[in-house]
Amino acid sequence: DSGVTQTPKHLITATGQRVTLRCSPRSGDLSVYWYQQSLDQGLQFLIQYYNGEERAKGNILERFSAQQFPDLHSELNLSSLELGDSALYFCASSPQLAGGEETQYFGPGTRLLVL
Amino acid sequence: AQTVTQSQPEMSVQEAETVTLSCTYDTSENNYYLFWYKQPPSRQMILVIRQEAYKQQNATENRFSVNFQKAAKSFSLKISDSQLGDTAMYFCAFMLRDDKIIFGKGTRLHILP
Repeated sequence: DSGVTQTPKHLITATGQRVTLRCSPRSGDLSVYWYQQSLDQGLQFLIQYYNGEERAKGNILERFSAQQFPDLHSELNLSSLELGDSALYFCASSPQLAGGEETQYFGPGTRLLVL
Repeated sequence: AQTVTQSQPEMSVQEAETVTLSCTYDTSENNYYLFWYKQPPSRQMILVIRQEAYKQQNATENRFSVNFQKAAKSFSLKISDSQLGDTAMYFCAFMLRDDKIIFGKGTRLHILP
């Protein structure tokens, strides 16, 4: 158990809908990262937040957004869902602002299925 | 429960040398996937190599190859002719089909000029 929690574990929805994924980092960790993982495309970095502020952006679509709240939990919002958005989404946390220098602790992921 | 263990938190090797990163895992399942991911300072996660458990042949991608020992539950990554651009954090990962992915804690690899 990494100490990172994600809810829900599974999510099934329809095209065009909007969903929110939630991540609680390890106690004391200030950085949260979101990733999208599909079997054929591997793991893609979406976005990073540090202590409530956006710090790095990766391959995140405009239909997606995220935020980190004062209690450090983070939410990833996915809107106007398409079939291709079906994937495993997970978050990771690290104690500080990582520049590839710290281990990230990964949550178990949320599996999203868009029908 | 499945677990992934990377016993080497950090390693350093000279450029052009060969380096092997260790990974062991624990599962009672028979069909699963194994991955090695590279994360350079840019934070992008790059899939280095993938192995399906039902395949006996070790996967190879250019300078990267794995030694997959299913009975021993071992999945080590060998980097040949290492280059400065190989400097990164390397994550070993395990995934059951249609299930969550489980990562090891990573090995920080430094390639020295």
